[in-house]
Amino acid sequence: AQKVTQAQTEISVVEKEDVTLDCVYETRDTTYYLFWYKQPPSGELVFLIRRNSFDEQNEISGRYSWNFQKSTSSFNFTITASQVVDSAVYFCALSAPNFGNEKLTFGTGTRLTIIP
Amino acid sequence: DTAVSQTPKYLVTQMGNDKSIKCEQNLGHDTMYWYKQDSKKFLKIMFSYNNKELIINETVPNRFSPKSPDKAHLNLHINSLELGDSAVYFCASSPRGGNEKLFFGSGTQLSVL
Repeated sequence: AQKVTQAQTEISVVEKEDVTLDCVYETRDTTYYLFWYKQPPSGELVFLIRRNSFDEQNEISGRYSWNFQKSTSSFNFTITASQVVDSAVYFCALSAPNFGNEKLTFGTGTRLTIIP
Repeated sequence: DTAVSQTPKYLVTQMGNDKSIKCEQNLGHDTMYWYKQDSKKFLKIMFSYNNKELIINETVPNRFSPKSPDKAHLNLHINSLELGDSAVYFCASSPRGGNEKLFFGSGTQLSVL
């Protein structure tokens, strides 16, 4: 069975601070995919990143960066110099090949509030 | 053009009623999904369809019946609505399957009174 744990339910930081959102996953599959989605107050779900289990390189996209460590089964997300627009619920998710029956298993989300 | 559109955005109804939510994607994707987000923001898959064929039915009560008339449409019909059905329902699509980026609709907020 697959499981995604986001232990931080809520985080608040002052604007311009850096913040890291933790994600720990469990799977027995050797091939799997990890995702982050953002849900701003408006409610839509916005894709941020997808990584496969064979690519452990960290990724940076502007102020966003992701640290994938298979040794600790973690896929953490860092926002540098946070802005008020970063306020949202962030979901980490996991999927694995399953003969066409793949499904995304979401964590419970971390609500991030950026204080101006 | 909205890639994945679902209607209505809000649905308020009485217990026991039957209601439908419609979803359409114009991305040419093969796979479509319904996800449910409860009041605690927990997201869980309900159904997935690949090219009009049901692939995943995630132990959802049979009061929920998805229908896919073609691969661009996936509708959700709910019979005999219950208070516990109140949630946000998201439609999504992906090119081929669940290991890829999902494109989500804007959600339907269902409130059962």
